[in-house]
Amino acid sequence: GDSVTQMEGPVTLSEEAFLTINCTYTATGYPSLFWYVQYPGEGLQLLLKATKADDKGSNKGFEATYRKETTSFHLEKGSVQVSDSAVYFCALSDPSGSARQLTFGSGTQLTVLP
Amino acid sequence: DTGVSQDPRHKITKRGQNVTFRCDPISEHNRLYWYRQTLGQGPEFLTYFQNEAQLEKSRLLSDRFSAERPKGSFSTLEIQRTEQGDSAMYLCASSLQGAAGGYTFGSGTRLTVV
Repeated sequence: GDSVTQMEGPVTLSEEAFLTINCTYTATGYPSLFWYVQYPGEGLQLLLKATKADDKGSNKGFEATYRKETTSFHLEKGSVQVSDSAVYFCALSDPSGSARQLTFGSGTQLTVLP
Repeated sequence: DTGVSQDPRHKITKRGQNVTFRCDPISEHNRLYWYRQTLGQGPEFLTYFQNEAQLEKSRLLSDRFSAERPKGSFSTLEIQRTEQGDSAMYLCASSLQGAAGGYTFGSGTRLTVV
């Protein structure tokens, strides 16, 4: 079945450092790909998404490019802030595109120190 | 638009008791989803509704679990004869049909079975 593998955390960075969180997926078709963020005590929020190969999703300084050849969707940010401290989840929707359900990775805890 | 609301935020119950959670989605969203999240893991799909119809259920949804969305608006998730393994965060999300996975999540209900 479909699956998502994220780099294990926790990840600790200093403010203004460069961030990469790796995400690879396994799916039988061409899923849509997502990054969600979960701040302490809150629900998940959609951070960005890409629906087809070579699409780049971006939001709040975060970017991720849908790489079909490497089945990857790595999250990057050029300069992190303390407020970016959260858990980040990579996810995919079923390849039919109807998005009946999402398959999530196990999450990566990010802590940014001032 | 007040987002997706879940009630209660926290529930502590004794093993064997029944519990019921409520989710109020964004009013114009016709799809509603339930996910379960255990500590250190990503959310796992439980079930989803399109309007009042329950269209898909995960194998995780044992016979002790039942979900309803009687008028296509709010939804309830009931767990009968709770077990310690049911302790988790129960997340509700909603979306417009064809939103390609752009869910809006609620803050969740944290269940602790003692």
